[in-house]
Amino acid sequence: GQNIDQPTEMTATEGAIVQINCTYQTSGFNGLFWYQQHAGEAPTFLSYNVLDGLEEKGRFSSFLSRSKGYSYLLLKELQMKDSASYLCAVSDSNYQLIWGAGTKLIIKP
Amino acid sequence: GAVVSQHPSWVICKSGTSVKIECRSLDFQATTMFWYRQFPKQSLMLMATSNEGSKATYEQGVEKDKFLINHASLTLSTLTVTSAHPEDSSFYICSARRGEVSPLHFGNGTRLTVT
Repeated sequence: GQNIDQPTEMTATEGAIVQINCTYQTSGFNGLFWYQQHAGEAPTFLSYNVLDGLEEKGRFSSFLSRSKGYSYLLLKELQMKDSASYLCAVSDSNYQLIWGAGTKLIIKP
Repeated sequence: GAVVSQHPSWVICKSGTSVKIECRSLDFQATTMFWYRQFPKQSLMLMATSNEGSKATYEQGVEKDKFLINHASLTLSTLTVTSAHPEDSSFYICSARRGEVSPLHFGNGTRLTVT
């Protein structure tokens, strides 16, 4: 079967750095996406990785290792507004998105 | 770019009535649109995949006669919840992408409350 695992909840301090991990087992791989979803709102696109390595975009970076079936989202200089759920999704061999359950990130002052 | 507009943002309807939700890709053509449902504090659940000019593909457990999907053009898909019941109350979100390797872009969602 296809499976995406990510921690249910994480807590971090304002100004700090947090890494949210995602491991996956899917039938084929056509890229991995990270989305941010604030409570009561729709998800917004953060990043896309299809090749191994680190993609940096401002305070957010995303890493992929295809051989390990592993990705992480790194958030630097955390702000209170970063409190949200972070969703990992993998595009499989049919370009269907397989979604993780999301990681709820709580930022404390 | 890649803006998806969803309307209405929220709707309250009486049990037994039907509700139509529109999803438009404003600045790109979307051959495929996706409809999701999300209950409070739960994950996104894919309901159906909507392809322009053809019938939608529904996920297991989703009643196609209850959730009617029409993808009339490359920029518009509609979801009609027919004979709504209180258990259909949920957050419905549409999404669209330019192509298979493009990211999904989501509408703002529609919060449906059935009384």
